[in-house]
Amino acid sequence: QSVLTQPPSVSGTPGQTVTISCLGSNSNIRKSYVYWYQVLPGMAPKLLIYTNNQRPSGVPDRFSGSKSVTSAYLAIRGLRSEDEADYYCAAWDDSLSGRVVFGGGTRLTVL
Amino acid sequence: QVQVVQSGAEMKKPGASVRVSCQASGYNFTSYTTHWVRQAPGQTFEWMGWINAGDGHTKYSQKFQDRLTITSDTSASTAYMELSRLRSDDTAVYYCGRGYSGSNPKIDLWGQGALVTVS
Repeated sequence: QSVLTQPPSVSGTPGQTVTISCLGSNSNIRKSYVYWYQVLPGMAPKLLIYTNNQRPSGVPDRFSGSKSVTSAYLAIRGLRSEDEADYYCAAWDDSLSGRVVFGGGTRLTVL
Repeated sequence: QVQVVQSGAEMKKPGASVRVSCQASGYNFTSYTTHWVRQAPGQTFEWMGWINAGDGHTKYSQKFQDRLTITSDTSASTAYMELSRLRSDDTAVYYCGRGYSGSNPKIDLWGQGALVTVS
């Protein structure tokens, strides 16, 4: 059971917009920035979004992040086949002396 | 080239210890933290801890506090993760990554991962 809750899977067709949710609590998302990571098959994770809604250099603006109270969202606009991957949210959690916590991950399938 | 390169796969018996290395290049190793995160088969990521190579300060997840040691060698720009008293459920891919000081989950550069099998 992950501290942050994500849907196990989402899907969409090319060109569509999909949104992945990340549900947390007062000890993590409410107090912390949220980060999103993309994991392509067989690859190491890649930072996709940091401090809720900032994109590192090289990440297309089709990817956007937002946060509201204890929830965060990753939106992918203009879906492309190469977006098919696993997506994970992460945040700092104040419990248990402080730790980084991850969501359970969401598998995005591009139909 | 800015990168972190990890040591290779390891196979260990229960009760043994494992040490995984993480060599940084292309950036100032002491200006960043190095996180250690693992992913067991079919599971999500699990954060283990970090080290600030600049001052040697470490922060461990309470879960691993009693059997995890993270160190660094600034002369070699290398961080090390040692996990002792291994169990079968420690079988996972172990990643290191470049991070930022404080309570910050931002990891913007990841190693390729090292598979540790405990059997």
